Amino acid sequence: QLQLQESGPGLVKPSETLSLTCTVSGGSISSSIHYWGWIRQPPGKGLEWIGSMSYSGKTYYDPSLKSRLTISVDSSKNQFSLKLTSVTAADTAVYFCARSFGGPDYFDLWGQGTLVTVSS
Amino acid sequence: DIQMTQSPSSLSASVGDRVTITCRASQNISSDLNWYQQKPGKAPKVLIYGASNLQSGVPSRFSGSGSGTDFTLTVSSLQPEDFATYYCQQSYSSPFTFGPGTTVDIK
Repeated sequence: QLQLQESGPGLVKPSETLSLTCTVSGGSISSSIHYWGWIRQPPGKGLEWIGSMSYSGKTYYDPSLKSRLTISVDSSKNQFSLKLTSVTAADTAVYFCARSFGGPDYFDLWGQGTLVTVSS
Repeated sequence: DIQMTQSPSSLSASVGDRVTITCRASQNISSDLNWYQQKPGKAPKVLIYGASNLQSGVPSRFSGSGSGTDFTLTVSSLQPEDFATYYCQQSYSSPFTFGPGTTVDIK
């Protein structure tokens, strides 16, 4: 059964880069029918869509984050990643990786989430 | 960007109640509307996709309807495990925005 697991630092300093990896196990990331995405949830708040990427490299990014955001896929490691530069306290959140089906559509499979705190 | 609103923001209900949550989009999104359930400390789980399609494994007491700008999630008979926060999400155009959520708690 396919599973997703986020990993990365739980604490990042302001102005630095937040880097997270999502490892796909039990299946292949090299699927033409799936997109791989990131969603975040600030403490006590709602869900925020960050962006999605297909295996072939097509990306969709939240315009408010686009200048700071990179999502990439590493098929050799069966992983996809998120990099967010110049972070501030407003980027503190639980970050979820997820899979969507048939395009950048609904997310049918989620990781458990990882809390990233931006603080000096 | 397409803005999503939900009403109510919270509601109190009893086991066995019929519960209805409304989601509205700021422009026509056809039937590209999805519903998720999230429990505290857990990842969201998709319940309904494409406005009215029940995700595999989701109990049939959940149903979705609507098209265009107005959508509804209905729980026909609320069960103890249904107390959670519910989010809608549009998948019509990027950015694929979520609604602010509706929390269902025990009366």
